[in-house]
Amino acid sequence: QLQLQESGLGLVKPSETLSLTCTVSGGSMTNYYWSWIRQPPGKGLEWIGYIYYNGNTNYNPSLKSRVTISVDTSKMQLSLKLNSVTAADTAVYYCARGGAPGVPATMNWFDPWGRGTLVNVSS
Amino acid sequence: QSVLTQPPSVSGAPGQRVTISCTGSSSNVGTSYGVHWYQQLPGTAPRLLIYSDNNRPSGVPDRFSGSKSGTSASLAITGLQAEDEADYYCQSYDSSLNGYVFGSGTEVTVL
Repeated sequence: QLQLQESGLGLVKPSETLSLTCTVSGGSMTNYYWSWIRQPPGKGLEWIGYIYYNGNTNYNPSLKSRVTISVDTSKMQLSLKLNSVTAADTAVYYCARGGAPGVPATMNWFDPWGRGTLVNVSS
Repeated sequence: QSVLTQPPSVSGAPGQRVTISCTGSSSNVGTSYGVHWYQQLPGTAPRLLIYSDNNRPSGVPDRFSGSKSGTSASLAITGLQAEDEADYYCQSYDSSLNGYVFGSGTEVTVL
C-alpha cells in the first residue's frame, strides 16, 4: 500500500525559505503526477503545484513566482521550496499522488495523501 | 475566495439523506475534466470519496454517491451516520487558471 510522509522544519522565519520533503514508500513514482497541497488553520484546501515523475511541473499561478517542486525518483522523494514566506503561508502542507497512471493531468484527483506537516511562519 | 462554491454547512438526522452542491463554471465543472470529492475527518488528511464525477474507490461505502449536471456537481450521503461528521471538499481542474481548484468546503453535522 502506497504511503507518503512529509518532513521538514515546522518553524520558518518570515522572508526565509520553507523546505519540505515527501518520502514515498510501497509503490512506484513512475507514470504519476505528484502534488503539494496546503491548508491554513481552520481554512480550506489550496493546490500549490505538481510534478510529473519525469520532472515536468505546473504551479498555482498565485504562488508560481515563489515555488519550486522537484523529484528524485531514485530516492522516492519529492520536495517543495517556497521562498519569501509570510504569516499567510502558515499551514498544514500535504503531498499527494495524482489519480491513476496515464490519466491526463487535467483529469487527475488526489489519492493517497500524506498525513501532512504543520509549518508555522513566525519570528 | 474559492473558484468552486459549496454551502458552508449541511446537517441531517441519522439515517437521512443529505446532499452537498459544488457550483463552478464552464472552465472547470462544466468541462470533461471531472469532479472529485474528499472527506476530511477532524485532525486528519483528506480522503478520496468520489473520483471522475461518480466513481467510488474501493473501500468507500455505497452510501456515498456523486453526480454532475452542467456547471454543478453534487455529493449525496444516504443513511447518514455519526461517523460521517466531517468536512467535504470538491475538486476539479480549471482551464483558465491552468491548475487544480477546490471547493470552499462543507461541514456535515449529524444531529
